[in-house]
Amino acid sequence: AQSVSQHNHHVILSEAASLELGCNYSYGGTVNLFWYVQYPGQHLQLLLKYFSGDPLVKGIKGFEAEFIKSKFSFNLRKPSVQWSDTAEYFCAVRLSTGGGNKLTFGTGTQLKVEL
Amino acid sequence: KAGVTQTPRYLIKTRGQQVTLSCSPISGHRSVSWYQQTPGQGLQFLFEYFSETQRNKGNFPGRFSGRQFSNSRSEMNVSTLELGDSALYLCASSYTLGATNEKLFFGSGTQLSVL
Repeated sequence: AQSVSQHNHHVILSEAASLELGCNYSYGGTVNLFWYVQYPGQHLQLLLKYFSGDPLVKGIKGFEAEFIKSKFSFNLRKPSVQWSDTAEYFCAVRLSTGGGNKLTFGTGTQLKVEL
Repeated sequence: KAGVTQTPRYLIKTRGQQVTLSCSPISGHRSVSWYQQTPGQGLQFLFEYFSETQRNKGNFPGRFSGRQFSNSRSEMNVSTLELGDSALYLCASSYTLGATNEKLFFGSGTQLSVL
């Protein structure tokens, strides 16, 4: 069965610390990969996406993610977090063809950044 | 331009009742997807509609149904409500059925509580 695993459910960091959130997927076929973020009281929004090409993708607000096909991973990174990065982060996968907009999401990582 | 609009924002129902949720996509978007978000299961795909036709379906019982109108607005219906249906129901829209480099735009959701 298709699945997405996010290893860290809750992460607490101090401002300026580096962030890496793990995401692994199990999917039969070529995939597109996404990271979404949900800030407190706001709707879900796209942070970054990988469709093809350079496996290192850059998103909004200084976030980046690296697609490692051999490890079925798409980890999210940020060199220096800010208090405003406090949010819930979701990794998502979909088939690159024929899957429409059917995304399989991980269960999310709640990030809290302390001042 | 206006974002994805979901109504109502909150709903309280009792077991056995049915409920209809509404989603108005961003103007020009023809694809509407529905997701159920719960603390334990995260986000799970319900179904996707494009040009008034269901194009993808998740693993939910037949009590969950939907439709899309000619103006791309979509409704989701849940019949014979169960306590476990309590969740945040999210709607997302896009121009097409998951074309390359396309992204989903999510609404704020309808919070359904079943008592």
